Amino acid sequence: EAGVAQSPRYKIIEKRQSVAFWCNPISGHATLYWYQQILGQGPKLLIQFQNNGVVDDSQLPKDRFSAERLKGVDSTLKIQPAKLEDSAVYLCASSLIGLAGEQFFGPGTRLTVL
Amino acid sequence: KNEVEQSPQNLTAQEGEFITINCSYSVGISALHWLQQHPGGGIVSLFMLSSGKKKHGRLIATINIQEKHSSLHITASHPRDSAVYICAVDGSAGGTSYGKLTFGQGTILTVHP
Repeated sequence: EAGVAQSPRYKIIEKRQSVAFWCNPISGHATLYWYQQILGQGPKLLIQFQNNGVVDDSQLPKDRFSAERLKGVDSTLKIQPAKLEDSAVYLCASSLIGLAGEQFFGPGTRLTVL
Repeated sequence: KNEVEQSPQNLTAQEGEFITINCSYSVGISALHWLQQHPGGGIVSLFMLSSGKKKHGRLIATINIQEKHSSLHITASHPRDSAVYICAVDGSAGGTSYGKLTFGQGTILTVHP
């Protein structure tokens, strides 16, 4: 069974530029999560989708971050414009069901904002 | 105070030693997860538990719901166990979990040969 795929693996941009990350969850997984992990910290949930609907985006900085999950499968996370403090690893995870289900994580995208 | 606290933050051991990592949480939960993260790598789920104890190979996870505390034990540690170990809780609201995880800050484990 293929795991959660993410691209790109690494991205370096300058502040005020835009960037987009892509995630393809495990086939059949209804729930998809985007996390931000700053160096030395645990991941922080940015947004959770159930199929193509948003369940929780309370910690998403909506003035610069946006995410969508068209057709309830792949998802993209965008930052526009990027700030220095956005440098982090962005992790995508999926689970079969959202209710106390095991989450499967992708390899992450390491973003460096200069 | 963070909702999920891990201790220690850093742990160094010699190969073969018995290792314990602790996790305390302050909210009601439906499940607790132990995760492993290697440098430059993604996160792998080790255990998901809501009561009692689970064992997988040299890894053992326990949870005490009343005390809001969990431990991860590694027996006969090996250098390949070197990684960051993260505790995460799946919060509950009225008995229904939405799958939202709150993570501890992680414990950096280094096992020397």
